[in-house]
Amino acid sequence: RKEVEQDPGPFNVPEGATVAFNCTYSNSASQSFFWYRQDCRKEPKLLMSVYSSGNEDGRFTAQLNRASQYISLLIRDSKLSDSATYLCVVNAGNQFYFGTGTSLTVIP
Amino acid sequence: EPEVTQTPSHQVTQMGQEVILRCVPISNHLYFYWYRQILGQKVEFLVSFYNNEISEKSEIFDDQFSVERPDGSNFTLKIRSTKLEDSAMYFCASGGRTGFNEQFFGPGTRLTVL
Repeated sequence: RKEVEQDPGPFNVPEGATVAFNCTYSNSASQSFFWYRQDCRKEPKLLMSVYSSGNEDGRFTAQLNRASQYISLLIRDSKLSDSATYLCVVNAGNQFYFGTGTSLTVIP
Repeated sequence: EPEVTQTPSHQVTQMGQEVILRCVPISNHLYFYWYRQILGQKVEFLVSFYNNEISEKSEIFDDQFSVERPDGSNFTLKIRSTKLEDSAMYFCASGGRTGFNEQFFGPGTRLTVL
């Protein structure tokens, strides 16, 4: 069973659209949660941590549902520069588990 | 803004050779990590390092791999006898106060084993 599962997409959306990504994790003892973005052949870059109460950073909103072991990321008013792969990352113990990523392309 | 650096950016080696990948983590960080990403696949955890010892390692991190923090700034990953399947991008990351904190990644070293 995969530790972290994401819909790989691809998601192709027009500029200005709202898009949501989902992620599920298998280890109920997981302690911290993150969204990273990765551009082609580049390193993952931290987008935001995900807190139990939900959190927002500009156009980005992250939610965590511990009971369902589910994490989401909402991007509002998509920009061309949002095109990337979005990685769901979960920490359990001293290990960090990455999802396979969800590919987003924002179209002019 | 402080950042993680890695050298070299690209390493080409022959199968069976030893390679050492180098990383300089962010200076006040306490936790250090190595990951690999085979082309087209997900990022995979290799090892975490804290207080001068390995705190966790994955199944991938077998006896062919070792890590070291030889001085106060460098963090290295050694692969003793490279195999073709070791070809991947290797990312170093560092994190701050606890092992649950966000990690910041270096730009990676692309390892090609011929």
